[in-house]
Parts: sequence; C-alpha cells; structure tokens
Amino acid sequence: AQSVAQPEDQVNVAEGNPLTVKCTYSVSGNPYLFWYVQYPNRGLQFLLKYITGDNLVKGSYGFEAEFNKSQTSFHLKKPSALVSDSALYFCALFNTNAGKSTFGDGTTLTVKP
Amino acid sequence: EAGVVQSPRYKIIEKKQPVAFWCNPISGHNTLYWYLQNLGQGPELLIRYENEEAVDDSQLPKDRFSAERLKGVDSTLKIQPAELGDSAVYLCASSLGDFSTGELFFGEGSRLTVL
Repeated sequence: AQSVAQPEDQVNVAEGNPLTVKCTYSVSGNPYLFWYVQYPNRGLQFLLKYITGDNLVKGSYGFEAEFNKSQTSFHLKKPSALVSDSALYFCALFNTNAGKSTFGDGTTLTVKP
Repeated sequence: EAGVVQSPRYKIIEKKQPVAFWCNPISGHNTLYWYLQNLGQGPELLIRYENEEAVDDSQLPKDRFSAERLKGVDSTLKIQPAELGDSAVYLCASSLGDFSTGELFFGEGSRLTVL
C-alpha cells in the first residue's frame, strides 16, 4: 500500500515570511514525488517534481521542495511568501513498482498582507 | 495553447438519473486521466487511458460508471444511475507519457450534485 499525508489542513503565513507546506509519504520502492497547486475555480497546476538526483528541486513561482528519504518527506518551501501564493496545495506520489499514483488531501495556504 | 477542456462545469441531477461528462485533452497528449475529487480530499484516479486503451480502470465502479475514448482523443465519463454519494468534482487530466514522466495538465473539473 502507498499513502501521502499532508498533516496540516491549513497553513497561515505573513507576506514576506518563509513558508513550508509539509508532506510525508509511505511506499515500497523508489517514489516519484510531485507538488500541484489549485487556485480557486481553476484546475490543478504542476509546480515541481522529484524523480532522482539532487534532493532539492526547484519549480515554478519560486517554490522548491526537499526530498528526505530517511524522513520520507517532501516538504514544499518558499523563502518569501506572496499574497498571490494563497491556494490549495497537493502533494502526490507515483509508485514506480506498482504504476500507481496517490494524492494527499491538500493543504490550504493563506498568505496575509 | 488550449488547455484541457471539460464540460459541463456544473451539473445538478436527481438520484437514479444518468449523467455524462466530456473531456478534450491537450492536443498530442496520449495519456488521459479521470479523477474523482471529494470535498476536502485529494484527487482519486478512476481510469487512465493511453491512447484509446484503458490501462488502469481498477478504481472505476463498473456497475454504474463507464468511460470511453474511442479515437484516442476526447473522452466521456458516464454514471448511470447516479447515487447521492456520487456528488463530487470529476477532474480530467492529460499528459505526454504517464504520471512518472512529467506533469499532468488538469481541466477545471465538472462539479456534480446529486439530489
């Protein structure tokens, strides 16, 4: 079985502060990990992915994520939050052994001016 | 470039009625996905097509749900008959290659309300 956990339903940060949206996973084998963002009344949009290589991956809109195999985590980060970053963020896992994908339940990020 | 187009955006029906959703993927994308998204949850895969072949339909409730992608381009997802628990957002996505190779492009979804 495989799973993705986003332990925080809601994250609130002030504009200009760093932000972290947490994601942990469980899978047998090597995971491919992804972050997607969903703005109100819009479809999910790809932010970044980890397949292999450097544990720190950079994506769209200044976001980055760090793959930590020992902690089975893939937290999303941004050094300085913008109000426009306010959205729903989903972490996703692709199990290369089973060919199955799993999304987390999402974390709502609110950035206040 | 046009994105993934879904219709209708909203649908309200009474239980036991049929309903159909349509999806037109991005041109050239061979892989098409239908996901179910319940309120407060992440998307759950219903079916994945590679061209016109359904390669993963293990999570599709086949007693009432059906899907087709006859010419390997657009796709239709049907529910017959609908139940109260089917109220959700139905998402369509497409990609070049499968989930592992890169990003999925999602449509805006079709929100179904079953009364």
